[in-house]
Amino acid sequence: DAMVIQNPRYQVTQFGKPVTLSCSQTLNHNVMYWYQQKSSQAPKLLFHYYDKDFNNEADTPDNFQSRRPNTSFCFLDIRSPGLGDAAMYLCATSRTGSSYNEQFFGPGTRLTVL
Amino acid sequence: GNSVTQMEGPVTLSEEAFLTINCTYTATGYPSLFWYVQYPGEGLQLLLKATKADDKGSNKGFEATYRKETTSFHLEKGSVQVSDSAVYFCALTNAGGTSYGKLTFGQGTILTVHP
Repeated sequence: DAMVIQNPRYQVTQFGKPVTLSCSQTLNHNVMYWYQQKSSQAPKLLFHYYDKDFNNEADTPDNFQSRRPNTSFCFLDIRSPGLGDAAMYLCATSRTGSSYNEQFFGPGTRLTVL
Repeated sequence: GNSVTQMEGPVTLSEEAFLTINCTYTATGYPSLFWYVQYPGEGLQLLLKATKADDKGSNKGFEATYRKETTSFHLEKGSVQVSDSAVYFCALTNAGGTSYGKLTFGQGTILTVHP
């Protein structure tokens, strides 16, 4: 089945130690998104890629970076995690040209910062 | 700008009770409307959608009708089950244009169903 895959599902890191979360998709969608979600709150969009074009949200801290080496993969890099960055990180994809721009979500990576 | 407002939670029901979760929105143009569900420890799953006024989305016994006149998209289910316990998010996106799927979410409603 076509899907959005996130690895790992659970990640533990230390305060200030860089960490990378990964997302892959088999849907061949051209848009990929990263969201941060804290304790059943609404997901907060961090940034998205439209093909290779990176689009950062205005309030996303500089501590968060992203890479998209090809259509299928997208990475979220947190350069110096703080305790406040502990959250669920969700990857999503969509395809432009569809009539309703549905987003497909991965299962998420839960990040713990010690 | 776009915004979505959901009824305050949490909502606690007994099995087989009727469920309504209210959702109203503010948007420019002609948005598409969605309900997403998030089970404990998982990502978001699309529950149902509606892309134009008067459309009714339905799935797994849940229904919601796109009401442009009242700018609402209320979620209903006639008989809830324990397995429906989850967080429900109402969301919208402006179809087409340059927004290409950027979602505006409501704050989420936690539903707990007891046997």
